Amino acid sequence: QLQLQESGPGLVKPSETLSLTCTVSGGSISSNSYYWEWIRQPPGKGLEWIGNFYFRGGTYYNPSLKSRATISVDTSKNQLFLRLTSVTAADKAVYYCARRGVVTVENDYWGQGTLVTVSS
Amino acid sequence: QSVLAQPPSVSAAPGQKVTISCAGSISDIGNNYVSWYQQLPGTAPKLLIYQNNKRPSGIPDRFSASKSGTSAALDITGLRTGDEADYYCGTWDNSLNVGVFGGGTKLTVL
Repeated sequence: QLQLQESGPGLVKPSETLSLTCTVSGGSISSNSYYWEWIRQPPGKGLEWIGNFYFRGGTYYNPSLKSRATISVDTSKNQLFLRLTSVTAADKAVYYCARRGVVTVENDYWGQGTLVTVSS
Repeated sequence: QSVLAQPPSVSAAPGQKVTISCAGSISDIGNNYVSWYQQLPGTAPKLLIYQNNKRPSGIPDRFSASKSGTSAALDITGLRTGDEADYYCGTWDNSLNVGVFGGGTKLTVL
């Protein structure tokens, strides 16, 4: 059974960089069939797609983040990473990692999410 | 502002039926499969429907969905209080190469 687990600091200072890790077990992030994604949800709001990694095709990002986001992977550890620079209070959210089918485009597996607060 | 348009809320009595709509464009819903997600309070979204109208194992047939052109709809019949949740539609935008979601619909079972 595929499992995704997010981890990282729950508190980040304004203007600093948010760094999160998603550890994938029960499946390989080197798969040709899936994107591995970061999605966030501000408190009380809807889902916002951040971006993804595709082993055969690189990365895609939400243009609204204006190049602040970087997604990378460590295939040896089966981990996905998110870096978000210059954070503000608007970046406070629950951050999820999820798997998306390349052809069928559904997010079929999600991590439990991790809350990141931006505050000094 | 979300890319896909959903009503903010719907409500119905136990045992009744409710429909949640999802409107998009040719570049997203019009050229891709639509999926639906159920998010119970305090939990991660859960895949409810994929490939427009298919249910993952364990999802009851009270949940069904359809797609027509650039719109999709989720039907829930035989409503139960346990169905109270936020429901999201989602797909991919081919022109921008981004994932897109609806703004979410809060279902209240009165």
